[in-house]
Amino acid sequence: SQTIHQWPATLVQPVGSPLSLECTVEGTSNPNLYWYRQAAGRGLQLLFYSVGIGQISSEVPQNLSASRPQDRQFILSSKKLLLSDSGFYLCAWSVGLLGETQYFGPGTRLLVL
Amino acid sequence: GDSVTQMEGPVTLSEEAFLTINCTYTATGYPSLFWYVQYPGEGLQLLLKATKADDKGSNKGFEATYRKETTSFHLEKGSVQVSDSAVYFCALNNAGNMLTFGGGTRLMVKP
Repeated sequence: SQTIHQWPATLVQPVGSPLSLECTVEGTSNPNLYWYRQAAGRGLQLLFYSVGIGQISSEVPQNLSASRPQDRQFILSSKKLLLSDSGFYLCAWSVGLLGETQYFGPGTRLLVL
Repeated sequence: GDSVTQMEGPVTLSEEAFLTINCTYTATGYPSLFWYVQYPGEGLQLLLKATKADDKGSNKGFEATYRKETTSFHLEKGSVQVSDSAVYFCALNNAGNMLTFGGGTRLMVKP
């Protein structure tokens, strides 16, 4: 069966520090991968998606970036965090056409102080 | 473009009450429709889906029927439990494009 992992689960970082969040999927090959952000009490915002190694599409311009160094690994990064980067970051995967049923990881809660 | 509109919460109910969370959508063609649930502090879980008009998705006592004539996919449950307290997201997928999510509806069930 397929599983998706995210780490860390919780992170507290000072403004201006770098960020690296990792997501890995097991039990499937060539998945589509997604990064979402959920601000407190709000809906989901799609940040990035990837259909293959090294292929990244950005949905929202910001100071975040994403990379996919391996088939089942998706990384969200920032060189300098802003206060507004605080939120709950969710990774998801799907197979087949983009937008088919997506399966979400447990999320990373980021607090920027 | 495609969009999903959900009723604003929070929705507060007593245990064993009937639940309806409204969801309407705007899309060309024939999208697939989804309900996801997010329990406190967790990621989203797929609750149910429907891929064509008049399909009924069901899971864990929840149901939703794809109504093309009213462009709706309302979520219902006959008798809610405290453990159903969560945020519920309606979403659509239109011809392989990205999933489009509604804003979420928080449900609080009191014993």
